[in-house]
Parts: sequence; structure tokens; C-alpha cells
Amino acid sequence: GNSVTQMEGPVTLSEEAFLTINCTYTATGYPSLFWYVQYPGEGLQLLLKATKADDKGSNKGFEATYRKETTSFHLEKGSVQVSDSAVYFCALKGNTGFQKLVFGTGTRLLVSP
Amino acid sequence: EAGVTQFPSHSVIEKGQTVTLRCDPISGHDNLYWYRRVMGKEIKFLLHFVKESKQDESGMPNNRFLAERTGGTYSTLKVQPAELEDSGVYFCASSQTANSYNSPLHFGNGTRLTVT
Repeated sequence: GNSVTQMEGPVTLSEEAFLTINCTYTATGYPSLFWYVQYPGEGLQLLLKATKADDKGSNKGFEATYRKETTSFHLEKGSVQVSDSAVYFCALKGNTGFQKLVFGTGTRLLVSP
Repeated sequence: EAGVTQFPSHSVIEKGQTVTLRCDPISGHDNLYWYRRVMGKEIKFLLHFVKESKQDESGMPNNRFLAERTGGTYSTLKVQPAELEDSGVYFCASSQTANSYNSPLHFGNGTRLTVT
């Protein structure tokens, strides 16, 4: 079945540092890939998505590229801010029929001033 | 536009008691989903409604869990009787369409359930 593996946290960085959170997936066919973020006290929000190979999703300075050859969708940001502290979830969804979202375990990011 | 709302935001109950969680989706969204995150683990799918019908309930852990969506509007998830392993955060999400990869899921803030 479909599955997502993402790096364990917490990831602790200083403000303005470079961020990478690794995500790899296993799926049949050509899934869509997503990054969701949960800020403290809030619900899950869609951060970015990519629907086909080599697509790059981007939002709020975050980027992730759909790499079919390595089955990866790593999240990156060039310069993190304290306000980026949150839990980040990688997820996939198949593109046929009624497909449910499959999530990774989440990675907590802590950014200090 | 109001988002997906869930209540209560927190619930602490004793083992053996009953708890009912409620979700109000975004108005006009036919698709409603329940997910659960047990401490530190992945967010797992529980079930999916299309209007008032259960489209997929393959993620429901056992028959102590009962989900309803009478009238195709809000949904309830009842746990009876609750067990310690039911503790976690229960998320509800809604979307306009389900079989299009472009249809985003809108999540609520979740209900944190603690069973003692």
C-alpha cells in the first residue's frame, strides 16, 4: 500500500538557517504529494503541493520538488524564521478514484532567535 | 467563509466512558473525513463520508467507534466505551470533491482526547 516516511524530529535551528526535512514515499502509479503544517494551537494547513514528476511546489519561502526517480519530496527553506516553528507533515494521495491522504509521522521544527 | 470547526477542543475522560466528537464542515462541502493522530505517530485515516453516506470506513479501528453524518451536514464520532489507546488528536476535514487530486482538504483544529 501507499506510505510516507519522513525524518524524525525535532529539528532545531537558529533563525536564518537553511532547512531541509526529508520525505520519501512508496506508492503505485502517480500520486500527488503534499506538505501540511500545524502551527501551535491550530489545525493542519496545506503548505504546498505537487501533482506530477518534476513539479515544484512553493509557498511562504518553502519549496519541495517531486522527484519520481528517488521517490522523494523533500521540504526546503533558505532562511527560517521563529514563526516557522511548527510540525510539518508530508503526505500523498493517489490520483484515481476516492483516494485518502496518507501522512508521514510529522517533523517538529523549533527555530530559536 | 467559516472553516471546519470541531468541538470540543479537548476532552479528558476515564476508561470505559463515552465521548462524542463533533465536526462542522465548510458549508457546501459534500466530503467529510475523520483522521486520528496517536501521540508521535502518523496521522491515520479513519473514514470518509460523501454527504450522509459512508464512502470508506476502512480506517475505523474497531466497533467501539461509530461515525454518523445525519442529513449530510455535521458529523459526530462516538467512542464507546473508550480505552486508553484511543487517546490522541482527532482531526476532521472537508472538501468539495473527493476524486480530483486538485481538491484540497480543509482541516479543523482537532479534538485532543485523553483517556485516563
